[in-house]
Amino acid sequence: GAVVSQHPSWVICKSGTSVKIECRSLDFQATTMFWYRQFPKQSLMLMATSNEGSKATYEQGVEKDKFLINHASLTLSTLTVTSAHPEDSSFYICSASPTSAYEQYFGPGTRLTVT
Amino acid sequence: DAKTTQPNSMESNEEEPVHLPCNHSTISGTDYIHWYRQLPSQGPEYVIHGLTSNVNNRMASLAIAEDRKSSTLILHRATLRDAAVYYCIPGNSGGYQKVTFGTGTKLQVIP
Repeated sequence: GAVVSQHPSWVICKSGTSVKIECRSLDFQATTMFWYRQFPKQSLMLMATSNEGSKATYEQGVEKDKFLINHASLTLSTLTVTSAHPEDSSFYICSASPTSAYEQYFGPGTRLTVT
Repeated sequence: DAKTTQPNSMESNEEEPVHLPCNHSTISGTDYIHWYRQLPSQGPEYVIHGLTSNVNNRMASLAIAEDRKSSTLILHRATLRDAAVYYCIPGNSGGYQKVTFGTGTKLQVIP
């Protein structure tokens, strides 16, 4: 099956700094990738849809200037959390799919802790 | 998106079958029924999907009610590795479609 990777798997940063999370489709090309956030004991919440070569589409309530998404190639999307605060600490997960597939393939997630 | 209702949690003994129910009474005629699961501290993984007919794959079976207002995911022999949160997600199929997660069912497998 298709494989999606994320890097880093975990990161700790200080409040006020920015952190970048990478999402890669390893064996297929993806014109669309999705970014989710998951707080402890809660379900996944879609943050934004990342489109290769164009601006991302953000879900209602997600600050686009705080969560910068860049989808510069067909195999890589990045999520940058700018000026991170402790409340941004969460599990960030991306997903993508080969064009012909019915299902989404999810990355292993990145656990962000802001101190 | 169609609303779904799933039990918050279920238990099963190891090696026994598990039937995970899902109600999706507002599903549209073109929506597929997808099931994903999320093991602890991991990203979700696809389990199975169907439209009208029952479906089988190596992981599970999906039984869809005739009126499509409910479905049941069947794990034929639960193992400890099947302990996860299972999400029933109606929606258009296609990899370009976003997946909207509900609260899911947390399955505990007892050795």
